[in-house]
Amino acid sequence: EAGVTQFPSHSVIEKGQTVTLRCDPISGHDNLYWYRRVMGKEIKFLLHFVKESKQDESGMPNNRFLAERTGGTYSTLKVQPAELEDSGVYFCASSRDPGGGGEKLFFGSGTQLSVL
Amino acid sequence: GESVGLHLPTLSVQEGDNSIINCAYSNSASDYFIWYKQESGKGPQFIIDIRSNMDKRQGQRVTVLLNKTVKHLSLQIAATQPGDSAVYFCAENGENTGFQKLVFGTGTRLLVSP
Repeated sequence: EAGVTQFPSHSVIEKGQTVTLRCDPISGHDNLYWYRRVMGKEIKFLLHFVKESKQDESGMPNNRFLAERTGGTYSTLKVQPAELEDSGVYFCASSRDPGGGGEKLFFGSGTQLSVL
Repeated sequence: GESVGLHLPTLSVQEGDNSIINCAYSNSASDYFIWYKQESGKGPQFIIDIRSNMDKRQGQRVTVLLNKTVKHLSLQIAATQPGDSAVYFCAENGENTGFQKLVFGTGTRLLVSP
């Protein structure tokens, strides 16, 4: 079974440009999460999809970030326009059930975003 | 992949020793806790979890201890191996929302010398 895959693994862009990150969850996993780790700090929650619906997007930092999951399969996270403070690693994770205890989250390897 | 932060607390052990990694959590309402291992260039990988109605849980070579009184979590790795070298994160389900809106700790780097 393939794991959670993320593309690209690295992205280097200039301030003001747009970047789109993609996540393919494990097949059959309705729950998809985005997390990020910036400036070597803690990994922080961004948002949660259940199928194609946003369940919780309270962690999204501002309206420059847009996440979509059309069709309830893969998800994209677009940053437009990117700022220097957006640099970090963006992780996607998925699970079959909502969890809250006992349901493992499977993480992708992340996208390292560098905004220059 | 990720370049791990330069200022993580580091635990250095010799191969074969037992390792103990500690974590303090903040939310007394958290009822689910997980330890993750992150190797260079990879995402966090589940190691072991524990619910708040337990104070100890054992896996293969790993044990998690939970002290709710002082809000402390620890991960014990028995007979540490070079392959255990990684950054270890504790995480809590801080808001008890029924899904995995996890709050992660800052991480501890474990270095295992042969």
